[in-house]
Amino acid sequence: GAGVSQSPSNKVTEKGKDVELRCDPISGHTALYWYRQSLGQGLEFLIYFQGNSAPDKSGLPSDRFSAERTGGSVSTLTIQRTQQEDSAVYLCASSLGGARGGPYEQYFGPGTRLTVT
Amino acid sequence: KNEVEQSPQNLTAQEGEFITINCSYSVGISALHWLQQHPGGGIVSLFMLSSGKKKHGRLIATINIQEKHSSLHITASHPRDSAVYICAVKYGNQFYFGTGTSLTVIP
Repeated sequence: GAGVSQSPSNKVTEKGKDVELRCDPISGHTALYWYRQSLGQGLEFLIYFQGNSAPDKSGLPSDRFSAERTGGSVSTLTIQRTQQEDSAVYLCASSLGGARGGPYEQYFGPGTRLTVT
Repeated sequence: KNEVEQSPQNLTAQEGEFITINCSYSVGISALHWLQQHPGGGIVSLFMLSSGKKKHGRLIATINIQEKHSSLHITASHPRDSAVYICAVKYGNQFYFGTGTSLTVIP
């Protein structure tokens, strides 16, 4: 079956512009995560969605970052007024989730490489 | 916050060697995830475990909850195993990641 997909695969934007990154999780996966991987750094948690529950936004680095998940499926990560330090690979992962069962493996998308010039 | 440390940071091995990568964390967790990232490639899940030991092909993962430590073993290593191996621990809703171990297996 189809895996996690992300678009675009690469995005170059000018400092100060807004960008939207999209994630299509695996069908039936209720949990969705966004991560950021800066050059030479480890992965950094950004935000977590589980079903219809309020998202865990505790990893978002500033109020310029926001994310939504429509219909419990597709998610969009928005970065407003981009800065050069936002340049990174943004990864999305999905998994089965919920209070019962688990732990559930995450399935990662290919990532979006964002370059802010 | 959960501090996750991996060792070694870099590892070079001859084909056929037995390889061990270690992961330690600071706070009790609900699960630990081993991931593989190839150069320029995506991230693949290897194991998710909360206790004991799991085996898949030439890969073995163990976790010691009391000692807050996990190991990933690769038996009969092969050049195609060359990749970055990442340990991630689940704490609450979040995953905390180690900085990865870069493995190079020489033919």
